Amino acid sequence: GESVGLHLPTLSVQEGDNSIINCAYSNSASDYFIWYKQESGKGPQFIIDIRSNMDKRQGQRVTVLLNKTVKHLSLQIAATQPGDSAVYFCGVNSGSARQLTFGSGTQLTVLP
Amino acid sequence: DTAVSQTPKYLVTQMGNDKSIKCEQNLGHDTMYWYKQDSKKFLKIMFSYNNKELIINETVPNRFSPKSPDKAHLNLHINSLELGDSAVYFCASKAGTGNSPLHFGNGTRLTVT
Repeated sequence: GESVGLHLPTLSVQEGDNSIINCAYSNSASDYFIWYKQESGKGPQFIIDIRSNMDKRQGQRVTVLLNKTVKHLSLQIAATQPGDSAVYFCGVNSGSARQLTFGSGTQLTVLP
Repeated sequence: DTAVSQTPKYLVTQMGNDKSIKCEQNLGHDTMYWYKQDSKKFLKIMFSYNNKELIINETVPNRFSPKSPDKAHLNLHINSLELGDSAVYFCASKAGTGNSPLHFGNGTRLTVT
């Protein structure tokens, strides 16, 4: 089956700096990748997704990069703000029903 | 508001009891899920239904029984609760069965004592 892992369980950044959260996956057949943000006491909230026919996609202050060769995915957050403090999950599709498998999450803390 | 809503938000119960968690989505989605999040924040899929039909059943004890009365509802019934069932349970939905984002509810924190 698919395994998905985030490289760091915690990440601290200064307010205003850029944040990079990394994720590795194992299944080369995966073709859909997604990032979620989870604030305390809430459900995961969709941030951005990317399909395997792309290697970069940009949203508002966020960029997702996909490197299929090394099976690596990253989320970049520009000018990190206090409201960005949360747990971030990467998700990768896998299995016969192409369900999303999630990594264990990275806790992002924004320092004043 | 359009959303995925779950009830209750908190559920505290004793070992051996039977409990249910309800989920409703008004997004018009065809596919609904139950995920379990443990104390380390690891999110693991449990079940998925598409138009009331079960399509995913991961290795979950048969004490857990999902029920989908219609495509907008997916409830989770748990029999003979055990300490290890303590977790946060998330309902989610998405449009169709292809690749698209899941919309999650805000979770039900189940504590078994």
